[in-house]
Amino acid sequence: GAVVSQHPSWVICKSGTSVKIECRSLDFQATTMFWYRQFPKQSLMLMATSNEGSKATYEQGVEKDKFLINHASLTLSTLTVTSAHPEDSSFYICSARDLGDESQPQHFGDGTRLSIL
Amino acid sequence: GQNIDQPTEMTATEGAIVQINCTYQTSGFNGLFWYQQHAGEAPTFLSYNVLDGLEEKGRFSSFLSRSKGYSYLLLKELQMKDSASYLCAVLDSNYQLIWGAGTKLIIKP
Repeated sequence: GAVVSQHPSWVICKSGTSVKIECRSLDFQATTMFWYRQFPKQSLMLMATSNEGSKATYEQGVEKDKFLINHASLTLSTLTVTSAHPEDSSFYICSARDLGDESQPQHFGDGTRLSIL
Repeated sequence: GQNIDQPTEMTATEGAIVQINCTYQTSGFNGLFWYQQHAGEAPTFLSYNVLDGLEEKGRFSSFLSRSKGYSYLLLKELQMKDSASYLCAVLDSNYQLIWGAGTKLIIKP
């Protein structure tokens, strides 16, 4: 089945640091990728929809200058958390849409746990 | 607006059966999905319903009634490893997934 690789799986860094998370579709081309954030004991919250070759669409309340998304190729999208602060600590999950697979709308990466000290 | 409702938490006994309900109101419908999520992990796909009726897959079954905007996930022969959150999600007319808040299932021995 379709595989989505997300890297890194765990990041611990100092406040003020910028952190880049990569999301790759390994065996299919993904024109659309999604970035989610999940705080402890809460459900997934869609942050933005990333479209290859165009600007990402951000959900209401998500700062696009804070969370930079780049989807430069059909297999790679990146999320950069700029000048991260402790309140940005969360579980970030990407997913990719495989148009050739009607049985599953999105394939998920394993997630990145971000801890800002 | 779009809305998906499911219970926040349920408790069941090992070996028993549990049914997790989900009701939805969305802009269009292109399928309903159930995902399992263990703490600290990404969701994993369980089932997909686009037509009315019951889909069975081993110990897990999922039911859909489009006219009622209703689905349930049925878990049989519960095992301790089934303790997780179960997320109901609907694919709307824009092919965007609308997520429920998830149901935390606690299995007791």
